Amino acid sequence: SQQGEEDPQALSIQEGENATMNCSYKTSINNLQWYRQNSGRGLVHLILIRSNEREKHSGRLRVTLDTSKKSSSLLITASRAADTASYFCATDRSGNNDMRFGAGTRLTVKP
Amino acid sequence: EAGVVQSPRYKIIEKKQPVAFWCNPISGHNTLYWYRQNLGQGPELLIRYENEEAVDDSQLPKDRFSAERLKGVDSTLKIQPAELGDSAVYLCASSPGQGASGNTIYFGEGSWLTVV
Repeated sequence: SQQGEEDPQALSIQEGENATMNCSYKTSINNLQWYRQNSGRGLVHLILIRSNEREKHSGRLRVTLDTSKKSSSLLITASRAADTASYFCATDRSGNNDMRFGAGTRLTVKP
Repeated sequence: EAGVVQSPRYKIIEKKQPVAFWCNPISGHNTLYWYRQNLGQGPELLIRYENEEAVDDSQLPKDRFSAERLKGVDSTLKIQPAELGDSAVYLCASSPGQGASGNTIYFGEGSWLTVV
C-alpha cells in the first residue's frame, strides 16, 4: 500500500522558475526522503529529512517537514530542463527500514 | 562502487509462462527490497529482506509470486504463471539500513516485464 501522496500529480513550468511539490503521509515516521526518477530509469535519492528536522537544503533543493500536518514539500529553485523527471516522497515508518513511496509528481521543465 | 544490478532489463512473455528476475545488491547492504512499479505510479513494495530473512512480504501475491535471497546477498523474484496484469517494472533496491545518514535506498535500473 502507498504511504505518501504527492501533489500535484503533474507540474509544467518554464526553465528558471521554481517548482514546488508536496507530499502527505498517513502514519508516524522516522524520516522522509525524496527521490527522482528519469523516464525508464531507477529512482535516485535526493535528500532525507528526519522527523525532528523542519527544513533542509541541498544545492537547489529545499525540503520542509511538518510532522503535525504529516506533510512535506520539495522546492526546486531556478529549474532547468534537466530537472524534468518524476519526483517521489518515501517514508520510513518508525525506523524499521520499511520504505513506502507515494504516486509521484511528474515535473516538466520547458526550455 | 558498483550499484544495484538487475537482469534481465527487458522481458516479454506470454501469459501463463514463468519469469524470473535477478538482483545483485550493493556489497555490504543487508536490506534488500523488491518493488513493483506500474506506469505512472509509484513503487509498491512487494517484499523486504533483512539479510536472508523476509521480514515483510505482506504485499507479495503468494499464489504466483515467490522470492528468495541466497546467503543474504543476491535475490531472485519469480512469477509463475504470469498474468497480463503483471506487466510492470520490477525494481530491486538495497540499503545499508539505519545509520547516521538514515535509511537511503539505492535502486537498480529495473526489469521491464510485458505479458502478452
